[in-house]
Amino acid sequence: AQRVTQPEKLLSVFKGAPVELKCNYSYSGSPELFWYVQYSRQRLQLLLRHISRESIKGFTADLNKGETSFHLKKPFAQEEDSAMYYCALGPGSQGNLIFGKGTKLSVKP
Amino acid sequence: KAGVTQTPRYLIKTRGQQVTLSCSPISGHRSVSWYQQTPGQGLQFLFEYFSETQRNKGNFPGRFSGRQFSNSRSEMNVSTLELGDSALYLCASSDQSNTEAFFGQGTRLTVV
Repeated sequence: AQRVTQPEKLLSVFKGAPVELKCNYSYSGSPELFWYVQYSRQRLQLLLRHISRESIKGFTADLNKGETSFHLKKPFAQEEDSAMYYCALGPGSQGNLIFGKGTKLSVKP
Repeated sequence: KAGVTQTPRYLIKTRGQQVTLSCSPISGHRSVSWYQQTPGQGLQFLFEYFSETQRNKGNFPGRFSGRQFSNSRSEMNVSTLELGDSALYLCASSDQSNTEAFFGQGTRLTVV
């Protein structure tokens, strides 16, 4: 079955601390992996995708096919990073993006 | 470029009624996907339209339907509303399926 699992519903860290949001997936074939972010009162937007291998707002994510993971990392969290983060996988069996249930990141001052 | 626009932003309907939601994609985008977002289930795929044809469909009952017009604007219809249909309905457009999806701000539907 094609599935995305984000084990943490809520992750709370202090400003300046490292942060890692976990994402594991189940997929047969070559997946495309994405991280989407939703700031308060804003629309869902793409943060990064594994094929571009870039760092956005200090966040990076590496696709580990052996562990079927695509964890999102940032070495020093900022308060403005507080948001909902969704890991997504494509293409699904219906050609769609499959989303995890999301992790709410709270960065405390 | 204007972003994805969804109307209306908020809706309150009673059980048994039907509702139509609208989505205007980014200019030039021919793929429009619809998702239901709830606190318990997260983002669930409803269907995707491409060039006026339903190309993909999620696991929702037939009460949920949609269509796409020649200008790529899409509508989603839910008939015989149930309390459990209360959710944020998100529309996303892309220039082809499985590349970056651009989301609208959603329509918050409340069924009472």
